[in-house]
Amino acid sequence: QVQLQESGPGLVKPSETLSLTCTVSDGSISTSYWTWIRQPPGKGLEWIGYIYYSGSTNYNPSLKSRVTISLDASKSQFSLQLSSVTAADTAVYFCARSRWAYGAQDYWGQGTLVTVSS
Amino acid sequence: EIVLTQSPGALSLSPGERATLSCRASQSVSSNFLAWYQQKPGQAPRLLIYGASSRATGIPDRFSGSGSGTDFTLTISRLEPEDFAVYYCQQYGNSPFTFGPGTKVDIK
Repeated sequence: QVQLQESGPGLVKPSETLSLTCTVSDGSISTSYWTWIRQPPGKGLEWIGYIYYSGSTNYNPSLKSRVTISLDASKSQFSLQLSSVTAADTAVYFCARSRWAYGAQDYWGQGTLVTVSS
Repeated sequence: EIVLTQSPGALSLSPGERATLSCRASQSVSSNFLAWYQQKPGQAPRLLIYGASSRATGIPDRFSGSGSGTDFTLTISRLEPEDFAVYYCQQYGNSPFTFGPGTKVDIK
């Protein structure tokens, strides 16, 4: 049973960089695709992008200029950085797993709320 | 980018009734890579259906998915109290992967 846990600051100032980490419990970080998805309060889901163990990434073009997803296999963690944030980036951020590059997300973290405010 | 439209936006039903949720794509979904998720307040989404019609591990058989191309359906044969939630479809056949706006199923 894969378990994922997001961590990071719950409050980020406008124009700064949002940084979150997801820790994977079962050591499968080298065999799956690791995804970030966000959900503004009261709204729907937005796919941000994914990373594979090899380092290959795929980002949503709407965020691509501001997003970096990285992976540290030695720590069984992957991370999200979103630069130049505004209030529109306030959301619950979820990390999730897919078995394949083109795959549904079968395991999810509980999500963490990040608020962008001065 | 593929845009997904879900209908209805909300559905009021009683336990034991049948729920039929629709998801329509703006263009054909590659390989019918269409998933359905259930989300309850304060929780992460839970994968119900992938590949348009395959149930995820541990999902009861009252949940079924069907469809192909641009038109997909999630059916809940007999609603249980724990099924009242928001349901999202997602296409993951064409990048960027996109979600529909959701259908809320609430108790009548």
